[in-house]
Amino acid sequence: GAGVSQTPSNKVTEKGKYVELRCDPISGHTALYWYRQSLGQGPEFLIYFQGTGAADDSGLPNDRFFAVRPEGSVSTLKIQRTERGDSAVYLCASSPSGVAGELFFGEGSRLTVL
Amino acid sequence: AQKITQTQPGMFVQEKEAVTLDCTYDTSDQSYGLFWYKQPSSGEMIFLIYQGSYDEQNATEGRYSLNFQKARKSANLVISASQLGDSAMYFCAMREGGFQGAQKLVFGQGTRLTINP
Repeated sequence: GAGVSQTPSNKVTEKGKYVELRCDPISGHTALYWYRQSLGQGPEFLIYFQGTGAADDSGLPNDRFFAVRPEGSVSTLKIQRTERGDSAVYLCASSPSGVAGELFFGEGSRLTVL
Repeated sequence: AQKITQTQPGMFVQEKEAVTLDCTYDTSDQSYGLFWYKQPSSGEMIFLIYQGSYDEQNATEGRYSLNFQKARKSANLVISASQLGDSAMYFCAMREGGFQGAQKLVFGQGTRLTINP
């Protein structure tokens, strides 16, 4: 597809369970970002990949959160031992490296932890 | 301290009128970028306009323009001739540092714009 694709679009899970959220960026975009948007708030930065490596993971809230991008394209955000406070929309974005201007966002994965 | 401040939680405007959405920012960097995004009820973040800190002219994109007042640290979005489809949440965001690095954005709380027919 032409845009950033995120799956699943909706995920409902129980407290304590493990969750994976997937992001397929725009082809050729080397930079990939994860953001989290809680209800009524603006998105908050979680982690940034340049190629396969996590260049900046300063936004990950704790060690239950982890993300990978093994081949420099698709990325997976992994959340262990989910808590109710993890409920949010997780947004993925991509951009060409070294270019000022827009980030291209996906439609997000809405996570609900019961 | 908040880096991006949007003081208008909600705005109501008549169709075809112009509207200004306020945004102030706080940074000590000389090089930074300012963004506006639109988020309709579908949830997708739609890029509207970008202004670099060294750009001398205000950015424009169709009906959108960014009123950049560097000394006041202000980056207001102006939408001319508003349309019903403009009803959405609008977020102002900032990237600190040059664009060679990450597009790590800090977002404001957003303004919900409602266009009345």
